Amino acid sequence: KAGVTQTPRYLIKTRGQQVTLSCSPISGHRSVSWYQQTPGQGLQFLFEYFSETQRNKGNFPGRFSGRQFSNSRSEMNVSTLELGDSALYLCASSLGWGGLAGGRSSYEQYFGPGTRLTVT
Amino acid sequence: LAKTTQPISMDSYEGQEVNITCSHNNIATNDYITWYQQFPSQGPRFIIQGYKTKVTNEVASLFIPADRKSSTLSLPRVSLSDTAVYYCLVGDSDYKLSFGAGTTVTVRA
Repeated sequence: KAGVTQTPRYLIKTRGQQVTLSCSPISGHRSVSWYQQTPGQGLQFLFEYFSETQRNKGNFPGRFSGRQFSNSRSEMNVSTLELGDSALYLCASSLGWGGLAGGRSSYEQYFGPGTRLTVT
Repeated sequence: LAKTTQPISMDSYEGQEVNITCSHNNIATNDYITWYQQFPSQGPRFIIQGYKTKVTNEVASLFIPADRKSSTLSLPRVSLSDTAVYYCLVGDSDYKLSFGAGTTVTVRA
């Protein structure tokens, strides 16, 4: 079974530009989550999508947005890039969304290799 | 929001057993405990998940005491390739994963 794929793998952008990152989940997985990883802040949750609906959102400004398509593929967009947006952006897919379990079990998440974004 | 505390780093030698203890004093009744492993420039990889007592798979064991306020990840007979960052997570009330700083495990020859 193919794993989670993310494109592009590396990206260099200039401050003020906008960027779109893409994530293809494992076949059959309906939930996609996005994370930002930086040396200073570690792994931080951005948002989660399930069945084309955003189910959860982390504490990031409105410049960060995302969407999910009917085939479960997801994109995230960052507008008006800042130097501090330089990071590794990780996408993770899972079968379902924790809220479906009726409790607080965390579905096993499968992470992609990430997109390394550098803002200059 | 359940918060976890784990050691920042641990050193070990090949062939030894490594035990990483994570504290989660505010874990909720329905929260599961999950451990991930991350190598440099790669996404985290699921290792093991448990709710209570002991869980074992081909990679590791997870020990959870009755009060569930802590858990211990046990890596048997580590090798150099087990050098990585290990994250302990508990369920968030909003069903999203919250990664802490993790434990950097360094295995030496």
